[in-house]
Amino acid sequence: GQNIDQPTEMTATEGAIVQINCTYQTSGFNGLFWYQQHAGEAPTFLSYNVLDGLEEKGRFSSFLSRSKGYSYLLLKELQMKDSASYLCAVRDGGYQKVTFGTGTKLQVIP
Amino acid sequence: DAGVTQSPTHLIKTRGQQVTLRCSPKSGHDTVSWYQQALGQGPQFIFQYYEEEERQRGNFPDRFSGHQFPNYSSELNVNALLLGDSALYLCASSLEDDTEAFFGQGTRLTVV
Repeated sequence: GQNIDQPTEMTATEGAIVQINCTYQTSGFNGLFWYQQHAGEAPTFLSYNVLDGLEEKGRFSSFLSRSKGYSYLLLKELQMKDSASYLCAVRDGGYQKVTFGTGTKLQVIP
Repeated sequence: DAGVTQSPTHLIKTRGQQVTLRCSPKSGHDTVSWYQQALGQGPQFIFQYYEEEERQRGNFPDRFSGHQFPNYSSELNVNALLLGDSALYLCASSLEDDTEAFFGQGTRLTVV
C-alpha cells in the first residue's frame, strides 16, 4: 500500500514564495505528480518527477528525493489565482494508477 | 480538442438505485482511469481501463464496475447506491505510456 502525507492548509502572501511538502511511503515507486485543483474544478497537471532533483517550470518547481520519500512543490511570485488545493500523487508500479494525498489547501492573501 | 468530457455534470439518486456515468477521453488517448473524490479529500483510484479491459483496480467493492468501448470512451456503473457514494467522480485519460493524465470536470453524484 501507499501512505502520502502533506499539510492540510497553508497561507502565504501575494508575491511571496511558498513550499508545500509531501512525504510518501510506497513499495514500488514509479513517479510523483503534483496537481492543482481549484474549488469545484478538475485537477490540472503541474509536474512529474521520477528522478531525484529539481524540475523547474516557470513560477512552479518540484523537487524529489527518492531515498527520503520526500517531495516539495515551490511556488514563486505568488498570485491570488494560486489559491487552490495542491495534490501530491505517487505512481506505484506500472501503468497510470496513482495514489493521491488529501491535498494542501493554499490561501494567498494580499 | 474538447479534452476529457464527462456526463452528466450533476446527478441526484436515491439510496439503492443504480447509476451510470460516462467519460469521453481526450482525442488520441487510449487509457481511462476513474476516481472518486469525497469533499475535502484527494481523488481515490477506482479502476483503469485499457484496450477495453479493466487493467488495475483500487479498493472499491464489486458494486463499482465499468466498461470501455472500442472508441476508448468509458462508463462507470455503481449499483445499490449508498449515501457514502456521494462524491465527485473524476475521469482521467492518458496515453498508455505517458506520464500526464488529463482530468474531466467530473460528475457530482448526490445520493439521498
